[in-house]
Amino acid sequence: EAGVAQSPRYKIIEKRQSVAFWCNPISGHATLYWYQQILGQGPKLLIQFQNNGVVDDSQLPKDRFSAERLKGVDSTLKIQPAKLEDSAVYLCASSSGLANTGELFFGEGSRLTVL
Amino acid sequence: TQLLEQSPQFLSIQEGENLTVYCNSSSVFSSLQWYRQEPGEGPVLLVTVVTGGEVKKLKRLTFQFGDARKDSSLHITAAQPGDTGLYLCAGGFGSYQLTFGKGTKLSVIP
Repeated sequence: EAGVAQSPRYKIIEKRQSVAFWCNPISGHATLYWYQQILGQGPKLLIQFQNNGVVDDSQLPKDRFSAERLKGVDSTLKIQPAKLEDSAVYLCASSSGLANTGELFFGEGSRLTVL
Repeated sequence: TQLLEQSPQFLSIQEGENLTVYCNSSSVFSSLQWYRQEPGEGPVLLVTVVTGGEVKKLKRLTFQFGDARKDSSLHITAAQPGDTGLYLCAGGFGSYQLTFGKGTKLSVIP
């Protein structure tokens, strides 16, 4: 079974530029998550989707970050304009259900460096 | 947002030693998960505990959930270099919220 796919693996941009990350979850998984992991810290939830609806985006900096999950499958996370403090690994995860007792399957992440 | 504290933040031990890492919160968890993350990869689930006082064993790893469901521990017996990684606890709050701690970075020296 294919795992969670993310691209690009690495991206270097200058501040104020824009960037987009793509995620393809495990087939059939209804719930999709985007996490931000800054070096030396644990993953911080940015947004959680159930199918194509948003369950939780309370920690998403909505003035610069946006995410969508059209058709309830793939998802895109966009940052515009980027700031230095956005340098981090952006992890996408998926799970079969909404409950927090289920396993989250993570992709390898997209490492963003903002100069 | 609920806060989880993990300790120690860093741990470096010799192969064959035992170790324990901790995860604590001032709030009651509905569930608790432990993940391990290796460099350049995403976290991988080790265990999920949901019942206060629950103990689960996974080979040389023993996971314990506190009676009050506010804390958890992970004990590794006879650590091996392959155990090296970042150990993350994730606390469940309510029915769907999951909050990660900052992790414990473990290095096992051969």
